[in-house]
Amino acid sequence: GDSVTQMEGPVTLSEEAFLTINCTYTATGYPSLFWYVQYPGEGLQLLLKATKADDKGSNKGFEATYRKETTSFHLEKGSVQVSDSAVYFCALTDDYKLSFGAGTTVTVRA
Amino acid sequence: NAGVTQTPKFQVLKTGQSMTLQCAQDMNHEYMSWYRQDPGMGLRLIHYSVGAGITDQGEVPNGYNVSRSTTEDFPLRLLSAAPSQTSVYFCASSSARQGRSYEQYFGPGTRLTVT
Repeated sequence: GDSVTQMEGPVTLSEEAFLTINCTYTATGYPSLFWYVQYPGEGLQLLLKATKADDKGSNKGFEATYRKETTSFHLEKGSVQVSDSAVYFCALTDDYKLSFGAGTTVTVRA
Repeated sequence: NAGVTQTPKFQVLKTGQSMTLQCAQDMNHEYMSWYRQDPGMGLRLIHYSVGAGITDQGEVPNGYNVSRSTTEDFPLRLLSAAPSQTSVYFCASSSARQGRSYEQYFGPGTRLTVT
């Protein structure tokens, strides 16, 4: 079945550092890919998405590009802030059911 | 729009007790799902529904029951709680009208502890 493998954390960074979280997937079809973010004590929010190969999703300074040739959807941000501290989940869907990665905890220190 | 709402936010149960986690959405979404979140395992699908009167099992359905009598509501029932069901439970909804994005909207979660 479909699955997502995500870089393990936790990741600790200083403010203004570059963040990258690796995500690779296995799917039989042509899934849509997502990054969700969970801030402390809250539910999941959609951060960005891409629905076909070479699409780039972006939001709040984060970017990820759907790479079919490497089956990857790595998340990047050029300059993180303390407010970016959260758990990040990579996910895919080929229909209405999501398959999630294990999540990566990111802590940004001032 | 309230979006997806869940009640209660917190619950403590004793082993063997039963309870229902409530989920409602006001976006007229056809699809609704229940996930559980456990440390280091991401979110795993428990049950889902593609419309009123239609439900199916996800990855980890054992010990849980669902029904979908209306488009808006999708309650999750724990039949006989076990400590292994200690988790955070999220309800989500989405719509085919979004096209291939299948973006899911999540509720705030219910933190359940079974002692």
